[in-house]
Amino acid sequence: KQEVTQIPAALSVPEGENLVLNCSFTDSAIYNLQWFRQDPGKGLTSLLLIQSSQREQTSGRLNASLDKSSGRSTLYIAASQPGDSATYLCAVFNDYKLSFGAGTTVTVRA
Amino acid sequence: ETGVTQSPTHLIKTRGQQVTLRCSSQSGHNTVSWYQQALGQGPQFIFQYYREEENGRGNFPPRFSGLQFPNYSSELNVNALELDDSALYLCASSSVRTSGGYEQYFGPGTRLTVT
Repeated sequence: KQEVTQIPAALSVPEGENLVLNCSFTDSAIYNLQWFRQDPGKGLTSLLLIQSSQREQTSGRLNASLDKSSGRSTLYIAASQPGDSATYLCAVFNDYKLSFGAGTTVTVRA
Repeated sequence: ETGVTQSPTHLIKTRGQQVTLRCSSQSGHNTVSWYQQALGQGPQFIFQYYREEENGRGNFPPRFSGLQFPNYSSELNVNALELDDSALYLCASSSVRTSGGYEQYFGPGTRLTVT
């Protein structure tokens, strides 16, 4: 059974600081890995998708890396802003489904 | 291009009742998956439908059932509601990428409260 862990569970940083969010998974036989953003009480917004054959993906201030062999992914958010405050979820795809971590709740202080 | 939509937004039911949640997939997507997200946790996979057939199921009892229609919209039905069924129910439709991976596009969710 795939287990996905996200550390830390919560993070508070001043505006402008870079954010580093970690994700680990136990079964390396994944098809892809997605990072999502979730605002309180809302649905999931896809941020980045990394295929299993890729090492990283970038979109604007966001960069995600994937090391499939060690079962790790890291999401970097550069120059954080108060609007980045949300819960960030990591999920891996295999066996027709996404398996999610519990998320990292980020607060960016103005 | 229309995104994934879900209805209703919020719902309050009493223990023992039955509920139906609805999802319209993103245009051009033929696969719909349902997830349950309890407060403070990550979403858990309930099941997936592909071309009107159940294509995979998570660790949920048979009182959780679903349908997919020819237009690829979907319903999630839950019978004999329990207090622990209170959660955010998320629907996701899938885009088959050229490389074979499946990017999931999520709807806004339905908040179900069971009292």
